[in-house]
Amino acid sequence: EVQLVQSGAEVKKPGESLKISCKGSRYTFTNHWIGWVRQMPGKGLEWMGIIYPADSETRYSPSFQGQVTISADKSISTAYLQWNSLKASDTAIYYCARHFSYFDLWGRGTLVTVSS
Amino acid sequence: QSVVTQPPSASGTPGQRVTISCSGSSSNIGSNAVSWYQHLPGTTPKLLFYSNDQRPSGVPDRFSGSKSGTSASLAISGLQSEDEADYYCAVWDDSLHGPVFGGGTKLTVL
Repeated sequence: EVQLVQSGAEVKKPGESLKISCKGSRYTFTNHWIGWVRQMPGKGLEWMGIIYPADSETRYSPSFQGQVTISADKSISTAYLQWNSLKASDTAIYYCARHFSYFDLWGRGTLVTVSS
Repeated sequence: QSVVTQPPSASGTPGQRVTISCSGSSSNIGSNAVSWYQHLPGTTPKLLFYSNDQRPSGVPDRFSGSKSGTSASLAISGLQSEDEADYYCAVWDDSLHGPVFGGGTKLTVL
């Protein structure tokens, strides 16, 4: 089955770092952009950024530029979303999704909880 | 505040037809294709339409999508209780060089 498998839920303290992952399977991972989408509690979907795994070209939403780092390792068909210093306001569900002028395949989401 | 605007809520009774709008500008809807997603709490967003009005297999034909100028619409006819969900439009924005989501519309089936 074609799918994106995301890493499990995380509970972190403010100031800690975190890297979550999104692994593509049963399709050519390098042929499609992968996007990251945030959903804060009770809020809507927000596009954070996208990466093209073939060459790691990355684009960020202005709202997230400098706040997170998106990367990919095409050898293991995996994209990453990384924070250097988490804040309580980073508490959210983070989805990865394959982008082909639209998001046609979604991961199940990673819940990140940041609390002291 | 998204650059693409949706009404925060919509409602209808079973069997009715409801329409959800998505308003943008020349840098997004006016020049690029719109997609729509259905999101039920605790689940993964589901693609309802791509390229404005193309329905993936498995999406009931009660759902329809359209675009005109800088606006797009999602219509649901024969409303069912299972349609109660959040609905989002999304479109590439040439100024942002990336996709943007509308703010989402919470559909309530009364």
